[in-house]
Amino acid sequence: TQLLEQSPQFLSIQEGENLTVYCNSSSVFSSLQWYRQEPGEGPVLLVTVVTGGEVKKLKRLTFQFGDARKDSSLHITAAQPGDTGLYLCAGARPGGSEKLVFGKGTKLTVNP
Amino acid sequence: DTGVSQDPRHKITKRGQNVTFRCDPISEHNRLYWYRQTLGQGPEFLTYFQNEAQLEKSRLLSDRFSAERPKGSFSTLEIQRTEQGDSAMYLCASNRGGYNSPLHFGNGTRLTVT
Repeated sequence: TQLLEQSPQFLSIQEGENLTVYCNSSSVFSSLQWYRQEPGEGPVLLVTVVTGGEVKKLKRLTFQFGDARKDSSLHITAAQPGDTGLYLCAGARPGGSEKLVFGKGTKLTVNP
Repeated sequence: DTGVSQDPRHKITKRGQNVTFRCDPISEHNRLYWYRQTLGQGPEFLTYFQNEAQLEKSRLLSDRFSAERPKGSFSTLEIQRTEQGDSAMYLCASNRGGYNSPLHFGNGTRLTVT
């Protein structure tokens, strides 16, 4: 059983469209992190959300942490081809190991 | 901050051979992690160190896998008697520790077992 479920698994859109990807769990997390990974490279951190209900913006990317700290979403406005990549969410369970557990990711392709 | 470096970037080996990968973390980071990633999957946790102490090992890490961080700086991951199922990207990451501390990843070692 996957601790963090990401959806959709694949998303192919045209440049200029908006999109939302989701990261869901039945477990509470002390924080959730979003990473972006390009082929042949390691994941790179985009944002960390810590407080339930928190919203963070990074240019055209908006991240939200659920009130119960069990889920998160990433919304991209006016997607560009440079946004293409694998978007991963990762979290650490409170009171447990500090290792991060990753979802399987959403593979986003933005076509020009 | 020179980033996390991993060596080699690619390794092709025959089934049954032993392989060793190296990771050099960011120098001021005391935590070092190894993850494995297969096609279409997110990274799966293998093990992590605080300084030279190995604090946790995943059940994924069979007895053919061993990791060391002898002086609390670089780390090695060895796979003995490789199997085709070991083919994957092996990612190393480091951070300062703590629940909210982000991971800084290297670009991985791509292992292909033929």
